[in-house]
Amino acid sequence: DQQVKQNSPSLSVQEGRISILNCDYTNSMFDYFLWYKKYPAEGPTFLISISSIKDKNEDGRFTVFLNKSAKHLSLHIVPSQPGDSAVYFCAASTDSWGKLQFGAGTQVVVTP
Amino acid sequence: EAQVTQNPRYLITVTGKKLTVTCSQNMNHEYMSWYRQDPGLGLRQIYYSMNVEVTDKGDVPEGYKVSRKEKRNFPLILESPSPNQTSLYFCASSLAGGSSGYTFGSGTRLTVV
Repeated sequence: DQQVKQNSPSLSVQEGRISILNCDYTNSMFDYFLWYKKYPAEGPTFLISISSIKDKNEDGRFTVFLNKSAKHLSLHIVPSQPGDSAVYFCAASTDSWGKLQFGAGTQVVVTP
Repeated sequence: EAQVTQNPRYLITVTGKKLTVTCSQNMNHEYMSWYRQDPGLGLRQIYYSMNVEVTDKGDVPEGYKVSRKEKRNFPLILESPSPNQTSLYFCASSLAGGSSGYTFGSGTRLTVV
């Protein structure tokens, strides 16, 4: 049973616009949430994280929002660039040493 | 360059023939882990290790073994591979567990026929 769900397998967005990726989770014990980005033929790369004591974390064009009551987090990419075309994985952990549970991923395509 | 190195990148093998996928990191990370990626399922953890000689099962450990005799190496062993272990495998390491962000290797595409 997947505890982390990304219900949108794909997302297409125009260059310069905002990309919004969504992630839902079922385990209320998750304490840390992370986003990874993956290009074809490469391993995932860490993008941004947020702990459960925060509701927002920003890093340049990337912002992650956490809504604990709804068990929902989202990743905003503003503005979207062609290099952002990749698969994005949402992940969660119950503690700093715990295993990461990953979602199924969302394929983002940024069009000119 | 800080990295996680997996070998081989691609492997085709037959059912039942033991194989080892190697993983090495040069960042002095305590925490290492193996994941497999399958369509529609994302990445699922196979095994992880918090330090030398300390390993534990992840979500899908059946059919796999690991060892952590040295800090830098964390090989994945398939004693008797089966076709349902055909997958894309990733090794990852981290300074302090999942919350600090993993560094992933480039992946090993395994096909068991």
